[in-house]
Amino acid sequence: AQTVTQSQPEMSVQEAETVTLSCTYDTSESDYYLFWYKQPPSRQMILVIRQEAYKQQNATENRFSVNFQKAAKSFSLKISDSQLGDAAMYFCAYRDTNAGKSTFGDGTTLTVKP
Amino acid sequence: ETGVTQSPTHLIKTRGQQVTLRCSSQSGHNTVSWYQQALGQGPQFIFQYYREEENGRGNFPPRFSGLQFPNYSSELNVNALELDDSALYLCASGKQGAYSEAFFGQGTRLTVV
Repeated sequence: AQTVTQSQPEMSVQEAETVTLSCTYDTSESDYYLFWYKQPPSRQMILVIRQEAYKQQNATENRFSVNFQKAAKSFSLKISDSQLGDAAMYFCAYRDTNAGKSTFGDGTTLTVKP
Repeated sequence: ETGVTQSPTHLIKTRGQQVTLRCSSQSGHNTVSWYQQALGQGPQFIFQYYREEENGRGNFPPRFSGLQFPNYSSELNVNALELDDSALYLCASGKQGAYSEAFFGQGTRLTVV
């Protein structure tokens, strides 16, 4: 069974600085998809960024980028120029190619200090 | 806003009762997944429906069941409620495909007393 581990329950960053959230996963599959979701206090999960495992190039979405290390089964999220609105719980998720199920980590709570 | 709405937003039920949670998806979304999120944890996959048929199930007992309707709405039913069923229940809809974005609702907070 696939597992996703987020080893940082809480992180904090100063506004305008950069922070990296860690995620590791375990799978025997060679093709799969990885996602980072943001869950603010409103509870609605929002997709931040996604990565296809067969693509070596790291995904980037504006201030958000990932460092995908397939051999190490690592998928970290880097947030540049942090903003107050980035404060939320961040979840790393794995989805296999049959798309029937996503496996989530337990999340990292990010605090942004003004 | 994701265009996915869940109702009710909060619910309190007594142990042993039955509950139905509802999710309204965007037009064109042919899959819906339900997740249980306990406090301080990540969402746990309950099951997915694709074109009104169950298309994958997580490690949840049969008293968790669901329905998907042609009008892009769906239901999660839980029978014989237990205290451990207290959680945030999220639905996520989208188009079939592993890389497709899943659009989440704001969740229903269920408390079993």
